[in-house]
Amino acid sequence: GAGVSQTPSNKVTEKGKYVELRCDPISGHTALYWYRQSLGQGPEFLIYFQGTGAADDSGLPNDRFFAVRPEGSVSTLKIQRTERGDSAVYLCASSLTAGSYNEQFFGPGTRLTVL
Amino acid sequence: ELKVEQNPLFLSMQEGKNYTIYCNYSTTSDRLYWYRQDPGKSLESLFVLLSNGAVKQEGRLMASLDTKARLSTLHITAAVHDLSATYFCAVDEVIGNEKLTFGTGTRLTIIP
Repeated sequence: GAGVSQTPSNKVTEKGKYVELRCDPISGHTALYWYRQSLGQGPEFLIYFQGTGAADDSGLPNDRFFAVRPEGSVSTLKIQRTERGDSAVYLCASSLTAGSYNEQFFGPGTRLTVL
Repeated sequence: ELKVEQNPLFLSMQEGKNYTIYCNYSTTSDRLYWYRQDPGKSLESLFVLLSNGAVKQEGRLMASLDTKARLSTLHITAAVHDLSATYFCAVDEVIGNEKLTFGTGTRLTIIP
């Protein structure tokens, strides 16, 4: 079946602009996660949704970052007033549910470059 | 704050050799995950380890978990070139809050 998909695959923007990154989780997965991966590093947690609500947004670096999942499926990560330091690969993952354990399946990522 | 450390960070080995990657973490957890990442690609789930003493094997890779030592190992047997990739371990600290904390990764290069 289809895996996690993310669009766009690449996004180049200028400093100060607004960007939206989209994630389509695996059908039926109720939990959705956003991570950010800088070059040569492991992914870092940003935010986690269980259904429509953000269960944990402790990883969002500041108030320029916001994410929504209005219908409990597709999620959008929104970054306002982008900065060069926001350049990274943004990974989305989904899992069947939050519960006894959590095998997360990752999408291909969106590579964001802020000039 | 949960910290996850891997070593080595870089590993270059010849085909046919055996080696082990180590993953240490700083807090109590009995859920550990191993992922593989090829250059420019996303993460592929390899193993899910859910209890002390858990051991899982797939092909030339074997992962184990010692929750008392807060240590997981990924053992590579008779390495082949196709195993060249970056390997990450990740820890899931709290049941009900499913965020993963990843190690820094081990970049493995298998030399023919």
